[in-house]
Amino acid sequence: DQQVKQNSPSLSVQEGRISILNCDYTNSMFDYFLWYKKYPAEGPTFLISISSIKDKNEDGRFTVFLNKSAKHLSLHIVPSQPGDSAVYFCAASASSHKLVFGAGTILRVKS
Amino acid sequence: DTAVSQTPKYLVTQMGNDKSIKCEQNLGHDTMYWYKQDSKKFLKIMFSYNNKELIINETVPNRFSPKSPDKAHLNLHINSLELGDSAVYFCASSQVSGVGNTIYFGEGSWLTVV
Repeated sequence: DQQVKQNSPSLSVQEGRISILNCDYTNSMFDYFLWYKKYPAEGPTFLISISSIKDKNEDGRFTVFLNKSAKHLSLHIVPSQPGDSAVYFCAASASSHKLVFGAGTILRVKS
Repeated sequence: DTAVSQTPKYLVTQMGNDKSIKCEQNLGHDTMYWYKQDSKKFLKIMFSYNNKELIINETVPNRFSPKSPDKAHLNLHINSLELGDSAVYFCASSQVSGVGNTIYFGEGSWLTVV
C-alpha cells in the first residue's frame, strides 16, 4: 500500500524552462513533506521541505507547493539546469521518526 | 568532513555469510536509521534508533540486527545472507524537533549476494 505516490517515472525538460515534479499522498495524518534529490551511486540529499501549516515554501530556484485538500504536493524548479538531472524523491511523515518515500521521478534537463 | 558516513560502499559476498555495515554521523543528531532501497528503487525504513534505543523496527527478518554503541554510530549486522538481501542500504540521521524531521543520508552501501 503506497502512501506516497510519484506517478511520473521520468520527466524531460529543456534547460532554462520550469520542471514540475508531482507527488500524491493518501495518509491525511502526514504533516511534514520533503523532497530529496539523488545522483547515481550517492545517497539522497535533502532539498526542501514544507510543513502542513503552509502551502508554499521557496528556496532559491526550488519551490514546493502543498495542496492539503487534494493531498498533493509539487516541486517547481525554475530555471532548470543540466546539473538538476537526478532522481527526485518525495517523502512524508506523520509526527514520527519515520519518513515514507515515493518511488522517485527521474528528471533529465537537456541543454 | 562527511556528515553521515558508512562503510563499506560496495560489498559482494556469498550466500550464507555474515556481514556488517558500519555507520557514523558527526552531526550531533540523536536519531539514526537504516533504509533499504530494493530492486524497484523504493526507499523503505528498516530501523530507527533514538539515543541508542530502538524505536522503529519495520518487520525486518531477525537475520538483520542493528547495534548502536553510542548515538553517533549505528551498525547493521546481517546473518546468513540470502540472494534477496541484495540491495542498497542507506544509513541516515536526524535531530527530531517539533518542526519536522529532516533526515540526512549517507552515500549508501551496495550489497550483492551471490
